[in-house]
Amino acid sequence: QQQVKQSPQSLIVQKGGISIINCAYENTAFDYFPWYQQFPGKGPALLIAIRPDVSEKKEGRFTISFNKSAKQFSLHIMDSQPGDSATYFCAAPNAGYALNFGKGTSLLVTP
Amino acid sequence: DVKVTQSSRYLVKRTGEKVFLECVQDMDHENMFWYRQDPGLGLRLIYFSYDVKMKEKGDIPEGYSVSREKKERFSLILESASTNQTSMYLCASRPTRGVNTEAFFGQGTRLTVV
Repeated sequence: QQQVKQSPQSLIVQKGGISIINCAYENTAFDYFPWYQQFPGKGPALLIAIRPDVSEKKEGRFTISFNKSAKQFSLHIMDSQPGDSATYFCAAPNAGYALNFGKGTSLLVTP
Repeated sequence: DVKVTQSSRYLVKRTGEKVFLECVQDMDHENMFWYRQDPGLGLRLIYFSYDVKMKEKGDIPEGYSVSREKKERFSLILESASTNQTSMYLCASRPTRGVNTEAFFGQGTRLTVV
């Protein structure tokens, strides 16, 4: 079973600040690491993903940083906004096409 | 627009009942999944299927079974519902086109077993 360890469990950031969520994985059959965002009452939706042929991927205010030797990847949210308040999950693929998810980080961005 | 539709948003069932959760996707995806979401435990994989009539156990299959008779439909079955199966259940689908493809989730079914 692929283990994905995510931290912190919860995070409070002021508007305009940087939110950082970290994940560590054990082993993976495929090199693909997505982050999902979930709002209350909704299913998770893909936010951003990285293939580790690059060490960083940026999409707008969201950046994934990847450290293959340490088996770690992180999500940075720059200029955090109240609308970013949600639960964030990192994931890593198992031997099939299923994704193993971290336990989630509840982010609250205060005005 | 990809859609994964779960038949019920909320369900209340009695202990011992047989419960069916239905999921349909409209994007011809080969792979379908059932996850359970609990506070502090994240999303845990119950079962998945990579083809019609094929199924694989996930991390927590005990007390559950699945059925996939058609490519677009994946059902989760609680053979005899128990109170510890009260949870949010999420269905997802994902295509087999390379390894870096997006998984699409339904809205979830919140099941309460009383």
